This record gives sequence, C-alpha cells and structure tokens, in this order.
Amino acid sequence: AQRVTQPEKLLSVFKGAPVELKCNYSYSGSPELFWYVQYSRQRLQLLLRHISRESIKGFTADLNKGETSFHLKKPFAQEEDSAMYYCALSGPRIKAAGNKLTFGGGTRVLVKP
Amino acid sequence: DTAVSQTPKYLVTQMGNDKSIKCEQNLGHDTMYWYKQDSKKFLKIMFSYNNKELIINETVPNRFSPKSPDKAHLNLHINSLELGDSAVYFCASSQVGTVETFGSGTRLTVV
Repeated sequence: AQRVTQPEKLLSVFKGAPVELKCNYSYSGSPELFWYVQYSRQRLQLLLRHISRESIKGFTADLNKGETSFHLKKPFAQEEDSAMYYCALSGPRIKAAGNKLTFGGGTRVLVKP
Repeated sequence: DTAVSQTPKYLVTQMGNDKSIKCEQNLGHDTMYWYKQDSKKFLKIMFSYNNKELIINETVPNRFSPKSPDKAHLNLHINSLELGDSAVYFCASSQVGTVETFGSGTRLTVV
C-alpha cells in the first residue's frame, strides 16, 4: 500500500529563516511525487512535482529514493508562504487513465514577521 | 473562466437530509475526482470517473453516490447526512500526463 507521511503538523518560522517540510513515502513501484499548497480557504494548487526538477516561488524538493523522502525546502521564508502544504504520491494509473493521489496529513507553515 | 467549478461553495444542512454538490470542468479532461478534506485537514480521494466510468471507489459509505452525466460533470449526492460528513469536498480533474486541477471546494456543515 502506498503511504505518505508528513511528521510535522505545524512549522513556525520567522521571515527570512530557512524552512524545510519533511515528507516520507512508502511505495513499491517508481513513485511520482508532488507538493501542493493551499492558501487560506483556497483551492489546492500544485507547487511542484519531482519530475520537473524546477524551483517554484523559491521552493525546491529533491526525491531521495534511498531515504524514500521528498522534503520541501526554501532558504528564506516569506510571510506570503504561510499556508497548508501537502505532499502527495501518485499511484499506478488505473485503466491507463486517471491518477490516484495519496496525500500526507499536511503541514501548516506559519511565517512570522 | 474557472477551470473546475463547484457549487455550492457553502452548504449547511440538518442531519438526515439528502444533498448534492455539483462539479463542472471546462478543461476537456477525461477524468474527474472527488476528494474529502476533514476537520483535521486530512485529504483523501473518494471517487474517480473516467469518461463517465467509475474507476476509483475508495472505502466510502454507499450513502455517497457520484453521478457523471458527461465527462465534464461529476456530481456528488449524499443521502441521510450525518454529522461526520461535515468536511470540505474538493472536485478535481485531470488528463493523461497532467496533474489534477482542483476546484475551490464545498464546505459542508451538517448540524
């Protein structure tokens, strides 16, 4: 069974400080991993996916298959980064269509001025 | 234009009632989903439809019945609402090779 674990429910940092959100997964196949962000009372938005290896809003995440981790990092947090962050894993495609995203429990990030 | 739109945004109803939430996407995607986000912010898939065919049905009470009249719509009907059904329900859609695009959610409160 696939599982995603985000051990921290809440991360509180000061503006300008580095922030790292931990994500560990268990999956028997080759995983596809994502980070989604949900700003206050808004829809979930894709932040980044591991296959694109890009940096979005200063965030990066590296897939470490040895440690089964996909931690999200930003060197200098901004107040507008305050949000709920979800790590997600996409399981096997069913009937060659559709994803089955398994989400972690989410980490609330609070960036204080 | 909103890509994935859900109605209503807020729904307050009494226990035992039957209610529906509607979802429409204008992205031309073949697959649509319903996710539930509970009070602790846990987010879990409920259903997935591909071209009106049910392809994912997680362990959801049969009081929940999704209906897809066409591939652009996926509605969620809930019978005999219970307090524990209070949550935010998100609709999403995707195409092969794309990630899910989410709607803005429907906050259901059962009193």
